[in-house]
Amino acid sequence: EVQLLESGGGLVQPGGSLRLSCAASGFTFSSYVMNWVRQAPGKGLEWVSVISGGGDSTDYADSVKGRFTISRDNSKNTLYLQMNTLRAEDTAVYYCANSGTTGFYRYFDHWGQGTLVTVSS
Amino acid sequence: EIVLTQSPGILSLSPGERATLSCRASQSVSSIYLAWYQQKPGQAPRLLIYGASSRATGIPDRFSGGGSGTDFTLTISRLEPEDFAVYFCQQYGKSPRTFGQGTKVEIK
Repeated sequence: EVQLLESGGGLVQPGGSLRLSCAASGFTFSSYVMNWVRQAPGKGLEWVSVISGGGDSTDYADSVKGRFTISRDNSKNTLYLQMNTLRAEDTAVYYCANSGTTGFYRYFDHWGQGTLVTVSS
Repeated sequence: EIVLTQSPGILSLSPGERATLSCRASQSVSSIYLAWYQQKPGQAPRLLIYGASSRATGIPDRFSGGGSGTDFTLTISRLEPEDFAVYFCQQYGKSPRTFGQGTKVEIK
């Protein structure tokens, strides 16, 4: 059974940093493209970032480019999102989601339960 | 950026009725790159449909997807109590991958 478990969320002040983790199990993690998607309270879904299975290709939404960094440790079956220079508008539940082994552009098969990030003074 | 506009925003129906949800794209989307997700309160989204019309594993056949170009639909043939939720369409063929704003299917 595929499991994705996010952690690392919490309350942070504007301008601060936070690192999210997503522990994966039940599939061959290193073969899968992985994504981060966020959802502001009461709002819709916003794709944040994607990383290839080997970690050599990444992409970001314009809203986070230059501030967030996606990475992965395939030896630990873990995905990361380093978030710097956080803003109030980054407040959201952050989900990790896998999107298959064939190609960089694919639907999101499985999602974690999410971790809440609150940016506030 | 491809903007996806879903309609209606809220759909009020009774169990057993048919639900038709619309997703319109600001530019043409290849059918192989259009998905639908279901989200219930307090839960993560769940993949329902990919490639515009293919059901994901374990999704009942009362859910069907269709359309092409800029107009796509999700149809629920007969609403079950567990189908009342929010539904999002997504295009994943171009960066940034984008979602529609969602359609809430509520009990009338």
